[in-house]
Amino acid sequence: IQVTQSPSSLSASVGDRVTITCRASHSISTYLNWYQQKPGKAPKILIYAASNLQSGVPSRFSGSGSGTDFTLTISSLQPEDFATYYCHQSYSTSQTFGQGTKVEIK
Amino acid sequence: QLQLQETGPGLLKPSETLSLTCNVSGDSISSNNYYWGWIRQPPGKGLDWIGSLYYSGSPYYNPSLKSRLTISVDASKNQFSLKLSSVTAADTAVYYCAALAVRGFYFGNWGQGTLVTVSS
Repeated sequence: IQVTQSPSSLSASVGDRVTITCRASHSISTYLNWYQQKPGKAPKILIYAASNLQSGVPSRFSGSGSGTDFTLTISSLQPEDFATYYCHQSYSTSQTFGQGTKVEIK
Repeated sequence: QLQLQETGPGLLKPSETLSLTCNVSGDSISSNNYYWGWIRQPPGKGLDWIGSLYYSGSPYYNPSLKSRLTISVDASKNQFSLKLSSVTAADTAVYYCAALAVRGFYFGNWGQGTLVTVSS
C-alpha cells in the first residue's frame, strides 16, 4: 500500500492554518499516523489512528479521515512547528511512510 | 519510560553485512504492548520502513529488502537486531529502531538514530 503526501513543501507564516494531506492507494481504515521531524532528530508522533492526539501534543494539531484520504491540520502555526511532517500507514504488514511535507517560514 | 538505543558500526565497505542492535530499557522486549521495528532515512531524504516483528512472532520485511534482511529478538538481553547483507552505497542512511504500540499501531518511541555509511 502506497501513501502519497501533498504538498511536498509549503511556506507559511506564524498564525496560519496549515493542511497536509495523505492519500492511500487502498483503504487503510484509520491505520494512519502523523509524525513531526526536526533536523537531526528522530520523528515524534503527533496523531495516531487518524484522529487521536498523542499525549503532550498541542491541541492546535488535529487529524481526520478514514479509508484512503487523510488530513493533518495545524490550526495556528507556531515558530516551533516549522519541521517536516510524515504520514505512516500501519494497516498493511508491509508498512509505508509518505514522502514528507516540509513546512518552511514564509 | 520506554527507551531505545541503537548500536553498531558507523562505516562499512560495499558487500559487507550491516549488523545493528537496539537495546530496550524501561519495559521488557517480551511485553504484549509493542511490536519492534527498524526505519531508515538516507541523507536528505524521507523515512523508509525496513521491518517489524512481535517478540514471539514472525518478522515482516520491506519487500525491497527482504532477500538481504534478518530481524530478530534476543529476549535474554532485552534487545532486537537487524542484519542487512551485501550492502551498497544506497544503504547509507540514519537507522532508527522504534517501538510500535499495539494499541494504535504507531511508532511512539524511537531511538536517537545511528548513521551508517557504506563506502570503499
